Amino acid sequence: EAQVTQNPRYLITVTGKKLTVTCSQNMNHEYMSWYRQDPGLGLRQIYYSMNVEVTDKGDVPEGYKVSRKEKRNFPLILESPSPNQTSLYFCASSLSGKGNQPQHFGDGTRLSIL
Amino acid sequence: AQSVAQPEDQVNVAEGNPLTVKCTYSVSGNPYLFWYVQYPNRGLQFLLKYITGDNLVKGSYGFEAEFNKSQTSFHLKKPSALVSDSALYFCAVRDVGDDKIIFGKGTRLHILP
Repeated sequence: EAQVTQNPRYLITVTGKKLTVTCSQNMNHEYMSWYRQDPGLGLRQIYYSMNVEVTDKGDVPEGYKVSRKEKRNFPLILESPSPNQTSLYFCASSLSGKGNQPQHFGDGTRLSIL
Repeated sequence: AQSVAQPEDQVNVAEGNPLTVKCTYSVSGNPYLFWYVQYPNRGLQFLLKYITGDNLVKGSYGFEAEFNKSQTSFHLKKPSALVSDSALYFCAVRDVGDDKIIFGKGTRLHILP
């Protein structure tokens, strides 16, 4: 089954403790992206990757890191999480980062930073 | 810079009535436009996308969208609403030649039995 898999689905942690949210897709997609969803703000892009070893900042990249060493994986790293990063996070992928290719989304990771 | 607006936070419609969820956009060139739906505790699911030359685009679950270039709008429509259509709907836009895609803030659709 074609899918985008995020782990963990839920995480409660404390300020300053490094964490990684994994994202994997099995569709051989070139484009992958991370978003955060906050009430009243909709979906905002954190980072995206057009292909392996190519990453770019989205609209809200501060406090986050990403890497794309393999095509299928695009982990999101919070080196020193803070309470304002408490949010619902989505990973997405598409065949291409250009044109009208629709994105496939994971089911989300709800992160609480205390 | 590209932008997208969904002017209504919430839309309430009686079951069986037609529904419209509004979306307007701003791009410097030609737009790629999308609608997604989000059910509780799930990621966004693709509903439909604008195809150049087609002012009325059909998508999943009986939804369609009307593209209006002069009004820079891409409203989501359905002739007869179902209670199961209740969800959060997002409009998204990408400018031709651009890498970034911008999402609207979402419109919560309530279908009343």
